[in-house]
Amino acid sequence: QVHLVESGGAVVQPGRSLRLSCAASGFTFSDFAMHWVRQPPGKGLEWVAVTSYDEKKKYYADSVKGRFTISRDNSKNTVYLQMNSLRAEDTAVYYCARDCCSRQAGWSPGNWGQGTLVTVSS
Amino acid sequence: DIVMTQTPLSSPVTLGQPASISCRSSQSLVHSDGNTYLSWLQQRPGQPPRLLIYKISDRFSGVPDRFSGSGAGTDFTLKISRVEAEDVGVYYCMQVTQTPYTFGQGTMLEIK
Repeated sequence: QVHLVESGGAVVQPGRSLRLSCAASGFTFSDFAMHWVRQPPGKGLEWVAVTSYDEKKKYYADSVKGRFTISRDNSKNTVYLQMNSLRAEDTAVYYCARDCCSRQAGWSPGNWGQGTLVTVSS
Repeated sequence: DIVMTQTPLSSPVTLGQPASISCRSSQSLVHSDGNTYLSWLQQRPGQPPRLLIYKISDRFSGVPDRFSGSGAGTDFTLKISRVEAEDVGVYYCMQVTQTPYTFGQGTMLEIK
């Protein structure tokens, strides 16, 4: 069965960087696009980024474009989110999700991990 | 960006009764490939989101058939035929047609 485990969440100061990882198992990782979605404490969901199976297509939310980078290593079954120039408003639980159906930019986030908390505070 | 608007924001329902949530997009969600990438997700308290429906009406793996989706263009609906206690949570619509992908504000389903 599909299993996604996020890691790397921490408390960081504004302006600093952090890299999140998401280890996948239970499916052929290289066959699916992968998403990152975040949820600020007590608030709704915000889609962050998606990468196609081969990294040729990557798309970002306007709020993170130029600061965050999504990448993947198909040999390690892992997707990453490099977050630079962090701001207080980036504080959230970050979820990785396997696309339900597509190798490309995505049909929908399907299976989700449990999330990892990033807190940006001085 | 496409704005997704859900109604109602809160929905008290009686166990065993039907429930319905609406979602409207600020522009058509028909993709150039002819598909409409509108999803519904459920988030139970303290849990990560769970995909229920994708492409308007396709149920995701393991989703009970009491959940159904319908709609076209800019107007979409999630229906639960008979609400069960485990259905309590927040429901989100999401458009995956045009980047950046966007969610509705969420609708809290609670039992009367």
